[in-house]
Amino acid sequence: DAGVIQSPRHEVTEMGQEVTLRCKPISGHNSLFWYRQTMMRGLELLIYFNNNVPIDDSGMPEDRFSAKMPNASFSTLKIQPSEPRDSAVYFCASSFFAGPPRDEQFFGPGTRLTVL
Amino acid sequence: AQRVTQPEKLLSVFKGAPVELKCNYSYSGSPELFWYVQYSRQRLQLLLRHISRESIKGFTADLNKGETSFHLKKPFAQEEDSAMYYCALSGQKGGSEKLVFGKGTKLTVNP
Repeated sequence: DAGVIQSPRHEVTEMGQEVTLRCKPISGHNSLFWYRQTMMRGLELLIYFNNNVPIDDSGMPEDRFSAKMPNASFSTLKIQPSEPRDSAVYFCASSFFAGPPRDEQFFGPGTRLTVL
Repeated sequence: AQRVTQPEKLLSVFKGAPVELKCNYSYSGSPELFWYVQYSRQRLQLLLRHISRESIKGFTADLNKGETSFHLKKPFAQEEDSAMYYCALSGQKGGSEKLVFGKGTKLTVNP
């Protein structure tokens, strides 16, 4: 298994453009997480899904951000329009959740987004 | 509210010296605590969790509910321990599997 797959690995775009980040979780996992990492704020949870359903999106910064999980093997995080302050590394992680204790979250390599 | 504090952004020690990475948390219930590590050019990965009560790569961490701490310790640091370390908390209320991370501590072990 290649683990969690994210694409693209690097994205450079101009302010105002739409950005779509993609994630393929580990097969068999039923939970998927999107995180954002910045120097100032560290690692922040944006949203997570369980069985393809969004459970907690309280970390999504504003309406410019949206996430979908149309099936168990694919998720997207979209920013429209993008702004320079969105520049960060975005991580996707997946796990299998069947109640406490919680299973390990497996992280993807991240997408480094730069908005000019 | 759930909160994790790692007071040291940077920590530098010499090889063979003891190392302690501090983690304090704020949570009203019974938390699950974790340490994740990110080595250079590798993915963030689980190092250990408090319920396992095991030693991984020589590291241990004890949950101290009285001090609300979960410090990570190793008696003799090695150069390969140089990495970014994150403490994380998961609350049990509502069965949520949400993890709250600290801002991380960058450990450098000098030869």
